[in-house]
Amino acid sequence: GQQVMQIPQYQHVQEGEDFTTYCNSSTTLSNIQWYKQRPGGHPVFLIQLVKSGEVKKQKRLTFQFGEAKKNSSLHITATQTTDVGTYFCAGRLFSGGYNKLIFGAGTRLAVHP
Amino acid sequence: GAVVSQHPSRVICKSGTSVKIECRSLDFQATTMFWYRQFPKQSLMLMATSNEGSKATYEQGVEKDKFLINHASLTLSTLTVTSAHPEDSSFYICSAREPGAQPQHFGDGTRLSIL
Repeated sequence: GQQVMQIPQYQHVQEGEDFTTYCNSSTTLSNIQWYKQRPGGHPVFLIQLVKSGEVKKQKRLTFQFGEAKKNSSLHITATQTTDVGTYFCAGRLFSGGYNKLIFGAGTRLAVHP
Repeated sequence: GAVVSQHPSRVICKSGTSVKIECRSLDFQATTMFWYRQFPKQSLMLMATSNEGSKATYEQGVEKDKFLINHASLTLSTLTVTSAHPEDSSFYICSAREPGAQPQHFGDGTRLSIL
C-alpha cells in the first residue's frame, strides 16, 4: 500500500548540534507537509513544499523536497531546547477519489542543554 | 487563523459504552474533515474521511460499524466509538482544511481510555 517512511525514529542531540529527519514515499506526492507535535499536544503545521526540488527556510529550519517528489528532509541548525518534540512529514496524494494526507512515523527529537 | 475545536479532550469509561467525539471548524466551513488515531509514541493513522452530507470514506481495516462518522453540517463532524473496549483506547484527532487551502488544522485531540 501507499506508505510514507520516516527516519530516524528517535534523535538525541546536545543543544547547539544539528538535526535532520528524512522522509521517503513509495509513490509520487502532490505535495509534502511538515508538522511538529509537542508532548501531549496536537500536530502543528510548519510548512508545505509543492515543487520538485523546492527548498524553503524558516529561521534555523531548512526543508527540502526531492526532484522526484518522493522524498523530503527537515534540517535544524544549532538545535535549542525549544525544538523538542516529534516532527512528522505528511505526504499528500490522491487515492480512492480523495486527496489524502499520509503521515510518516515521526522523528522524536530530544535536546539536552 | 483557522481553528478546529475537538470535544471532549479526555474520556474515561467502562467497556461496552459508546463514546461520541465532536470536531468543529470554528471560523471556516469544512466540507471534508479527517479522523486520525494515534497510539503512544506512534504516528497518526488516517481512519476515515468525513464528507458533509454523504457517507464517510473509511481506510482499509477500519470497521465502519465500530467507528460511526456523521458530518451533518459544514462545521461539525462526529465520531462515535460504539461499544468501546480496552483495545479502542487511544488518542483520536480530527482535522479539517479550509476550502482551497492545503494545510490541515488539527483539533486538540481526545484521549479515550476504556476500562
